[in-house]
Amino acid sequence: DVKVTQSSRYLVKRTGEKVFLECVQDMDHENMFWYRQDPGLGLRLIYFSYDVKMKEKGDIPEGYSVSREKKERFSLILESASTNQTSMYLCASSLPGGSGVSYEQYFGPGTRLTVT
Amino acid sequence: AQSVAQPEDQVNVAEGNPLTVKCTYSVSGNPYLFWYVQYPNRGLQFLLKYITGDNLVKGSYGFEAEFNKSQTSFHLKKPSALVSDSALYFCAVRDPGNYQLIWGAGTKLIIKP
Repeated sequence: DVKVTQSSRYLVKRTGEKVFLECVQDMDHENMFWYRQDPGLGLRLIYFSYDVKMKEKGDIPEGYSVSREKKERFSLILESASTNQTSMYLCASSLPGGSGVSYEQYFGPGTRLTVT
Repeated sequence: AQSVAQPEDQVNVAEGNPLTVKCTYSVSGNPYLFWYVQYPNRGLQFLLKYITGDNLVKGSYGFEAEFNKSQTSFHLKKPSALVSDSALYFCAVRDPGNYQLIWGAGTKLIIKP
């Protein structure tokens, strides 16, 4: 079974703090994703990585950065946390796919971040 | 612009009755279509996908979905609902020329005993 783990289930941080969210997958997947989930908005992609040290911005990258130094690990960094970044953060991984092939994403349990 | 619509925020079904969760999309070309489920306090799980071939796709837990190109829909169905099917369901679409999934807002499915 694919396993995607996230470092914390619940996190409370203060405004202005630097926040690190860690994600690890054990299936040697090339692709890794960070999403935030807010009620009524579905999932919105923050960043995507298709290889070590490679990243692409998603729909809402402002206020976030990412790091992928090893294939199995993808970190999301909130440089200076703000209250509007209070949300559920989901990490996912998948195989790369190709023409006529699209693989499903496997998700971690999520980190519910509260910024006060 | 590419988009996915799940027109119902919530669907209520009695246990044993058939259920349908609706999804329509706006994507150019031939899209890849997915359904995911999120049980309370758990991460999203993949249910099924349509890439090509037979328009009726079968997935986990007895769910199936029908791809209708003319109506740009990919509705999720199950012949007989269980209370344990109660969860949040997400439809997602990918343009084959793009790596990114476009997600619907989610539909809360409530199955009453």
